[in-house]
Amino acid sequence: GAGVSQSPSNKVTEKGKDVELRCDPISGHTALYWYRQSLGQGLEFLIYFQGNSAPDKSGLPSDRFSAERTGGSVSTLTIQRTQQEDSAVYLCASSPRLAGAGGEQFFGPGTRLTVL
Amino acid sequence: QKEVEQNSGPLSVPEGAIASLNCTYSDRVSQSFFWYRQYSGKSPELIMSIYSNGDKEDGRFTAQLNKASQYVSLLIRDSQPSDSATYLCAVNFITGGGNKLTFGTGTQLKVEL
Repeated sequence: GAGVSQSPSNKVTEKGKDVELRCDPISGHTALYWYRQSLGQGLEFLIYFQGNSAPDKSGLPSDRFSAERTGGSVSTLTIQRTQQEDSAVYLCASSPRLAGAGGEQFFGPGTRLTVL
Repeated sequence: QKEVEQNSGPLSVPEGAIASLNCTYSDRVSQSFFWYRQYSGKSPELIMSIYSNGDKEDGRFTAQLNKASQYVSLLIRDSQPSDSATYLCAVNFITGGGNKLTFGTGTQLKVEL
């Protein structure tokens, strides 16, 4: 079946503009995660959604970042008033369950965000 | 101290050799452990998961877990140039704050002809 999809694949924006990044998880996966990866760096957790539970937003770096997940499926990550330090690859992953036994995460191709 | 530590490398091995990638994690309750492979410019790809002490083999890959030593490793037998990538170790720590993976920064593997 289809894997995790993300759009756009690349986004170039000007400092101060808002951007929306989209993630479409694997069908039937209840958990959805957002990460970002800066050049040559590890994965930085941002937020995760699990079913109808309140999302874990503990990794969001500032209040400029927000995310929602509609209908338990598609998720949108919004960055308001983008800054140059927001430039990174934003990765979405989905899992059939939370990150316990069997909670393997499968990643989408990512969105490369460049803030000029 | 980082929660999940890996040597950044690069680790260079000749084609056909065994590549040994290591990962240590902090002294916290942990449940599951994963190895991901990431090619340059691509997203991470899950290659192994392990949940209990001991070895788990899948083709040319063997994951080893030692919870007492807080150590998880990945062995790649008969290394091929196509194995050249960054390998990320990920640990699920059990916390009251939720369920997520903590990733190491990765070890770059180079398999040389």
